Amino acid sequence: EAGVAQSPRYKIIEKRQSVAFWCNPISGHATLYWYQQILGQGPKLLIQFQNNGVVDDSQLPKDRFSAERLKGVDSTLKIQPAKLEDSAVYLCASSTYPPRAGGLSTDTQYFGPGTRLTVL
Amino acid sequence: QKEVEQDPGPLSVPEGAIVSLNCTYSNSAFQYFMWYRQYSRKGPELLMYTYSSGNKEDGRFTAQVDKSSKYISLFIRDSQPSDSATYLCAMSAGNFNKFYFGSGTKLNVKP
Repeated sequence: EAGVAQSPRYKIIEKRQSVAFWCNPISGHATLYWYQQILGQGPKLLIQFQNNGVVDDSQLPKDRFSAERLKGVDSTLKIQPAKLEDSAVYLCASSTYPPRAGGLSTDTQYFGPGTRLTVL
Repeated sequence: QKEVEQDPGPLSVPEGAIVSLNCTYSNSAFQYFMWYRQYSRKGPELLMYTYSSGNKEDGRFTAQVDKSSKYISLFIRDSQPSDSATYLCAMSAGNFNKFYFGSGTKLNVKP
């Protein structure tokens, strides 16, 4: 089974430029997550999609970050304009959540390799 | 107070040692507990998944959950240099499958 795919793997931009990241989740996974991981910290959830609807975007800086999952499969995350503090690894994850009837009310998340963003 | 606390290390041990990694948490609603391993410049990889309290063993790895103390542990027996990585704990109450991550403990196993 193919894993979560992300591109690009690395990106270097100057502050105030824009950048976009792409994610293709594991086939059949209804839920997709974007995380930001700053060096030395755990992943922080930016946005969670279930199919093509947003479940949680409470920690997404909406003045500069946007994300979409138009057909309920792959997704893009955009930053415009970028700031120095946006330098981080952007991780995409997917899960089969929501569970089938009678299943546990959570399901594990599978991560992609991440995109390392450096803002100069 | 953070939802999940994890000692960042680094933790350096000789090959063959038993390693103990720990997390504490504050939210008593957490029922699902995960350990992820993250190699340098890679995404997190699921290692262990536990529901509620108790122990779970998988090869050299044992996960323990003590909900009364709000404390979880990951034990690695006969540690190998290939175990050198950052270990992240994660927890969920099951609501919308939102995970809360620790900051990660960096482990170095010396040959």
